[in-house]
Amino acid sequence: DVKVTQSSRYLVKRTGEKVFLECVQDMDHENMFWYRQDPGLGLRLIYFSYDVKMKEKGDIPEGYSVSREKKERFSLILESASTNQTSMYLCASSLEQGAGEKLFFGSGTQLSVL
Amino acid sequence: GQNIDQPTEMTATEGAIVQINCTYQTSGFNGLFWYQQHAGEAPTFLSYNVLDGLEEKGRFSSFLSRSKGYSYLLLKELQMKDSASYLCAVRDFRGSYIPTFGRGTSLIVHP
Repeated sequence: DVKVTQSSRYLVKRTGEKVFLECVQDMDHENMFWYRQDPGLGLRLIYFSYDVKMKEKGDIPEGYSVSREKKERFSLILESASTNQTSMYLCASSLEQGAGEKLFFGSGTQLSVL
Repeated sequence: GQNIDQPTEMTATEGAIVQINCTYQTSGFNGLFWYQQHAGEAPTFLSYNVLDGLEEKGRFSSFLSRSKGYSYLLLKELQMKDSASYLCAVRDFRGSYIPTFGRGTSLIVHP
């Protein structure tokens, strides 16, 4: 089975801190995604990557950046955390761009910014 | 852009059938997915439709009408463990194939 691992289940940070959320997948997937999930708003795409060193903005990229130096690892960076970035962050991966390729999700990181 | 609409919450009785609808507006449609998410857990894949019609998988079925921008997820013989959020996701081409999610439908199954 595909495993998508997020480094932290819960994280508490202070306003203005730089925050790194790490995601690793073990099935050689090309595509990786970062979503945030908020009550009443569903999952919203922050950034995605379809290859090493490639990144594309999703629907809500402001305040975030990403890094994909290795195929298996996709990092989400909050350059200066703010309280409105308190959320559940979900990483996902999929095999390739072909039709029908489902997403495999990590367990999520609940980030609280105080 | 996309507009994906699904009901916020539904309730049903154990053993019954429930239908969760999803409507969408998009260009470059490339498939519709349903995911299940139990509270505190990651979403997991349920079904995929890219052509019109019904796809059946055990107690769960998913239907798609591309001309109407409409899909539904049908759950039969409901069990208590089916209480979860059901997420509709539409994949379209925006330079790359990107799945965009609706806000999810919280299903509560009661005895």
